[in-house]
Amino acid sequence: DTEVTQTPKHLVMGMTNKKSLKCEQHMGHRAMYWYKQKAKKPPELMFVYSYEKLSINESVPSRFSPECPNSSLLNLHLHALQPEDSALYLCASRLPPEQGRHLNTEAFFGQGTRLTVV
Amino acid sequence: EDQVTQSPEALRLQEGESSSLNCSYTVSGLRGLFWYRQDPGKGPEFLFTLYSAGEEKEKERLKATLTKKESFLHITAPKPEDSATYLCAVSGNQFYFGTGTSLTVIP
Repeated sequence: DTEVTQTPKHLVMGMTNKKSLKCEQHMGHRAMYWYKQKAKKPPELMFVYSYEKLSINESVPSRFSPECPNSSLLNLHLHALQPEDSALYLCASRLPPEQGRHLNTEAFFGQGTRLTVV
Repeated sequence: EDQVTQSPEALRLQEGESSSLNCSYTVSGLRGLFWYRQDPGKGPEFLFTLYSAGEEKEKERLKATLTKKESFLHITAPKPEDSATYLCAVSGNQFYFGTGTSLTVIP
């Protein structure tokens, strides 16, 4: 099973709303990622969690707040977003690059949440 | 500086017309090169992982190859259902995506 499940599939929210995106995987992957993808562009890395700890934050505005409550779940809390934050938000997971391990494994992606901020 | 460049940006093929997509990379300490397929509005679907120059992987009409500076995704006798964006990603210190090639296969 290489499934990463994201909910909801679609979300429309106002600029004053608070909402959360959810991601779940049961592959035992201890590295989980949030990406943002705009139309006709490649995915852009937002956050990386390794062993449930935030290891990379790519200078993302504080209106995006990630959370990793356990090794299977990843959340992205949204607050006071702007219309330009409308995008496809992707979650991915893989085995984390471990110290001394030379080769990295592939990441598996969810189907994404299509977010529209109005 | 680590870079990943894909070409062409867009490619239109007749059904059955074979071609290749290119992914050129500059990465300090390559720890894996990955090919993904992405359909509109969906998440990337994993296709192949390559680790060392000379390595090849095949799946149906797709074949991925790797040299020290680039990777090719060869598509043999494509069908309309192969139409998608093909993304290359490399893993060095971080995981970088190329800008993708949008492939359209015309019946």
